Amino acid sequence: AQKITQTQPGMFVQEKEAVTLDCTYDTSDPSYGLFWYKQPSSGEMIFLIYQGSYDQQNATEGRYSLNFQKARKSANLVISASQLGDSAMYFCAMRDEASGGSYIPTFGRGTSLIVHP
Amino acid sequence: DAGITQSPRYKITETGRQVTLMCHQTWSHSYMFWYRQDLGHGLRLIYYSAAADITDKGEVPDGYVVSRSKTENFPLTLESATRSQTSVYFCASSESRQGVGSNQPQHFGDGTRLSIL
Repeated sequence: AQKITQTQPGMFVQEKEAVTLDCTYDTSDPSYGLFWYKQPSSGEMIFLIYQGSYDQQNATEGRYSLNFQKARKSANLVISASQLGDSAMYFCAMRDEASGGSYIPTFGRGTSLIVHP
Repeated sequence: DAGITQSPRYKITETGRQVTLMCHQTWSHSYMFWYRQDLGHGLRLIYYSAAADITDKGEVPDGYVVSRSKTENFPLTLESATRSQTSVYFCASSESRQGVGSNQPQHFGDGTRLSIL
């Protein structure tokens, strides 16, 4: 079974509008971390935001925020005031305690976001 | 400069040849990872290493060999390249666990685009 599910292969948003990228996860470990990465067309992977399983508040980093709903096991990325430069692939990832105590990250398949003027 | 570098950036080779992709990081991160990225599959873990001389298989290890004799280097070798190994390969590193490994983001190299003819 997939540990990270991103159900939206592609999303479109108008410049300056907000957009939500969905991510659901599956783990039985009480301690885990959730991450979002951005991959622009140039190919590099850029870390955006982190949410810990014990964090009481939703994480925010500038225009990025994470809508963390622990009971529903969802960690959606919200981008406010979209910009043309936000057009990219976005990956959700989770680190939980795999066998042997190694926190091995698992990635979703990604969502392609296109911001149009 | 501090960071994580991969070489070469692009490589074309023939089936049956041995090819080695290099990865070097200057942060002294304990963890290092190799991923391959293919359309529709997101990032799939090939091998990872928790420390020098400690390596373990990921999701898709067949046909690949790794070594980690020094903390800063984590080369990936395709012993006898096949067309199915045509892909973009990413190396990544992160801090060690030390009780809080789940909150450590990964830092990625720029990737190696490998084509096997």
